[in-house]
Amino acid sequence: GNSVTQMEGPVTLSEEAFLTINCTYTATGYPSLFWYVQYPGEGLQLLLKATKADDKGSNKGFEATYRKETTSFHLEKGSVQVSDSAVYFCALRGGSNYKLTFGKGTLLTVNP
Amino acid sequence: DVKVTQSSRYLVKRTGEKVFLECVQDMDHENMFWYRQDPGLGLRLIYFSYDVKMKEKGDIPEGYSVSREKKERFSLILESASTNQTSMYLCASSAPTTGPAGGYTFGSGTRLTVV
Repeated sequence: GNSVTQMEGPVTLSEEAFLTINCTYTATGYPSLFWYVQYPGEGLQLLLKATKADDKGSNKGFEATYRKETTSFHLEKGSVQVSDSAVYFCALRGGSNYKLTFGKGTLLTVNP
Repeated sequence: DVKVTQSSRYLVKRTGEKVFLECVQDMDHENMFWYRQDPGLGLRLIYFSYDVKMKEKGDIPEGYSVSREKKERFSLILESASTNQTSMYLCASSAPTTGPAGGYTFGSGTRLTVV
């Protein structure tokens, strides 16, 4: 079945540092890949997505590239801000399956 | 703006009570989902529904049931609440017409405490 493995947190960075959160997946076929963000006290919001190999999703300075050869979808941002403090979830959705499969989430804290 | 609305942000119930968590979406989405979120465990799918009156078990359905009488509303029912059901509950919806490329829209969550 489908599964997502993302790096465990928590991750603590200083403002303007570079961020990488690793995500790898196992799936049959050609899944779509997603990053969701959950700010404190809120539900999940879609941050970015990629639907085929070598696609790059980007939003709010965050980027992730769909790498089929390494089954990875790592999240990166060049310069984090305090307002980026949140929990980040990697997820995949494959074929005709209605369901999203989530990783366990990575808590990011950015200090001023 | 499109929305998924969960009726309560915070709820405190007693052990053994029957608990109803309500979720309403205004996007005419066919698919609706209930997840619970726990520290260290991420999001786990409880039930989902791909049409009115249709439901399927997710990964952890025990102790829960659901109701989908109208397209826009998907209710999660805790038949007899227990302390191990203390959690954050998240409702989501999606449109199958977007195919696998479509993401979900989530509600803000209901934090349920069972005492």
